[in-house]
Amino acid sequence: DAGVTQSPTHLIKTRGQHVTLRCSPISGHKSVSWYQQVLGQGPQFIFQYYEKEERGRGNFPDRFSARQFPNYSSELNVNALLLGDSALYLCASSRAGPRFRNTIYFGEGSWLTVV
Amino acid sequence: GQQLNQSPQSMFIQEGEDVSMNCTSSSIFNTWLWYKQDPGEGPVLLIALYKAGELTSNGRLTAQFGITRKDSFLNISASIPSDVGIYFCAGLADGNTGKLIFGQGTTLQVKP
Repeated sequence: DAGVTQSPTHLIKTRGQHVTLRCSPISGHKSVSWYQQVLGQGPQFIFQYYEKEERGRGNFPDRFSARQFPNYSSELNVNALLLGDSALYLCASSRAGPRFRNTIYFGEGSWLTVV
Repeated sequence: GQQLNQSPQSMFIQEGEDVSMNCTSSSIFNTWLWYKQDPGEGPVLLIALYKAGELTSNGRLTAQFGITRKDSFLNISASIPSDVGIYFCAGLADGNTGKLIFGQGTTLQVKP
C-alpha cells in the first residue's frame, strides 16, 4: 500500500498570496492531521480531521484552514501568506477511533517558501 | 508551541557505539512515538509505545514507555553510519485527536 502522499513537494509563493496543500492518507486511514515544521524545530500541530470533521486545532491564526473530503484526503489552505509561513508542512494519517491504537504516519511533506 | 524536553540536543559518536536519548514531559501521555527524520524528508516512524512500562525493540532500536507516563527513552545499539539523522520523540495525550507533541529532536552524527 502507498504511504501518505502529499503535493506539491516544493513551492514558492509571494507574500499575501494563498496556498493549497494536498494530502492523501494511507488506505484505510480515516484521520488526517497537519503539522508545520520550521527549520531546526519539531513539528507543530495545526489541525486534525477525522471522518470529515475537525477534531483538533493548534495555536495557528485563522489564515490557516483545512478540510477533509469523503475519500478522506485533505487540503490545507493558508491565506495572506507571511514570510514566517515558510516551512515544511507535514500531513499525517492514522486509523484513529477508539478501536485502534494510534500509530501515526507522516508523508514527505510540502516545502513552502514565501518570498 | 508546546514541546517535550528531549535530550541530548546532539550527539557525535563513533561507529559501533551505543546511543541513548530521552524525553520528559510535565504531562501524562497515552502513547509515545519515536521518529527519525532525514534532511528534506518527513519523519519516519521507528517505534510506537502504548502502555506504561512497555519495552519494545525494532532491530537495533529499543524504546521504553516510562512508568509515570511522563517520559520515554530510545536506545540504539552498535550504531552505523546510516543511523545519522534527527530523532524525535512525540507524545499523544488524547488518542482521538492526533495531536502529537514533539520534542526538539536529537541530531545524531556517526563517525565511521
